[in-house]
Amino acid sequence: DAGVIQSPRHEVTEMGQEVTLRCKPISGHNSLFWYRQTMMRGLELLIYFNNNVPIDDSGMPEDRFSAKMPNASFSTLKIQPSEPRDSAVYFCASRKASNTGELFFGEGSRLTVL
Amino acid sequence: GEDVEQSLFLSVREGDSSVINCTYTDSSSTYLYWYKQEPGAGLQLLTYIFSNMDMKQDQRLTVLLNKKDKHLSLRIADTQTGDSAIYFCAESIDNQGGKLIFGQGTELSVKP
Repeated sequence: DAGVIQSPRHEVTEMGQEVTLRCKPISGHNSLFWYRQTMMRGLELLIYFNNNVPIDDSGMPEDRFSAKMPNASFSTLKIQPSEPRDSAVYFCASRKASNTGELFFGEGSRLTVL
Repeated sequence: GEDVEQSLFLSVREGDSSVINCTYTDSSSTYLYWYKQEPGAGLQLLTYIFSNMDMKQDQRLTVLLNKKDKHLSLRIADTQTGDSAIYFCAESIDNQGGKLIFGQGTELSVKP
């Protein structure tokens, strides 16, 4: 089975540009999470969806960040305009309700904003 | 609110035991997890424990939970160089769709 698929794996962009990160969760999983990882702040939950509906977006840093999940197999995280402090690794993870509640992570999208 | 704390670094010699500690604040946490992150990769679940358990053993891994003190530990017996990674503690109030809150991660360095 394919795991969680994220794209792009690496992105380098200039300040002010729009960045779109994409995620395909594991088929059959009904929850999707976006996390951001930096050296300074560790792993931060940005937003999560249950059955395509955003449940908690309290971790989204500011209005420059937005996330959508138009269907069960696709989600995007958009940053517009991007800033150097947005440089981080962005992880998408999915899960289905189960006895363990295990999260399955993608390999991450490393974003560098110059 | 929810908060999970871990020490940032641990260094051990190959063959020794490693103990990674974690404290959490949410007393309603029902599920507690240990995840492992290798360089350049996402996190993978190592093991988990339900809050009604005190201990769980899985091969070289032993998880201890002190619910009164909200303290969780992961012991790795006979630590190998391949165990070098970042280990994250996480808590969740349920397994049906609630969010997981992660600690900062403990970087384990295993020296030969």
